[in-house]
Amino acid sequence: DTAVSQTPKYLVTQMGNDKSIKCEQNLGHDTMYWYKQDSKKFLKIMFSYNNKELIINETVPNRFSPKSPDKAHLNLHINSLELGDSAVYFCASSPGLSYEQYFGPGTRLTVT
Amino acid sequence: KNEVEQSPQNLTAQEGEFITINCSYSVGISALHWLQQHPGGGIVSLFMLSSGKKKHGRLIATINIQEKHSSLHITASHPRDSAVYICAVSPSGSRLTFGEGTQLTVNP
Repeated sequence: DTAVSQTPKYLVTQMGNDKSIKCEQNLGHDTMYWYKQDSKKFLKIMFSYNNKELIINETVPNRFSPKSPDKAHLNLHINSLELGDSAVYFCASSPGLSYEQYFGPGTRLTVT
Repeated sequence: KNEVEQSPQNLTAQEGEFITINCSYSVGISALHWLQQHPGGGIVSLFMLSSGKKKHGRLIATINIQEKHSSLHITASHPRDSAVYICAVSPSGSRLTFGEGTQLTVNP
């Protein structure tokens, strides 16, 4: 069983479109995250939710909106996609704050 | 300047060699993480430590809080160890700040 799963694995779309990436964890963790890995492979935190409550919201454009319907899911919705949004997006989870994090397989988003 | 600096950026070794990757950080932290990113892109957490030393198999991680420095050692390296190794720190709570990674290639 996959601990942290993301769908889709690959996403190719045109500028201006709206898209969502889904993340689910079956580890019973309280905390979930979204990270962006750019073309230089540099990882940056975007959002973190703890018990469905937003606790980290980095300087990310308002076009990015996370949604946590329950503790096991954290989805990422992106409006009006831009070329610069092309990256690999990783979801992760941890038992709580200040714990080891478990990463999903990543979603490679390509905006054309 | 990034809050987390790793060295070297690239490292090539022969199978069996002892490998050291270094990480220096400039902020106070609650914990330091070492991650491995496979050539296929997946990320695995190797260690989370806040003091001293941890060992898993052939991997050893150490941290010196006073010097704001950590090292990841791989003993008896193997081609399957080829990956990007990423150091990340938690200044507080769950927020991780990442280094740029070290690309390790182990040749047979």
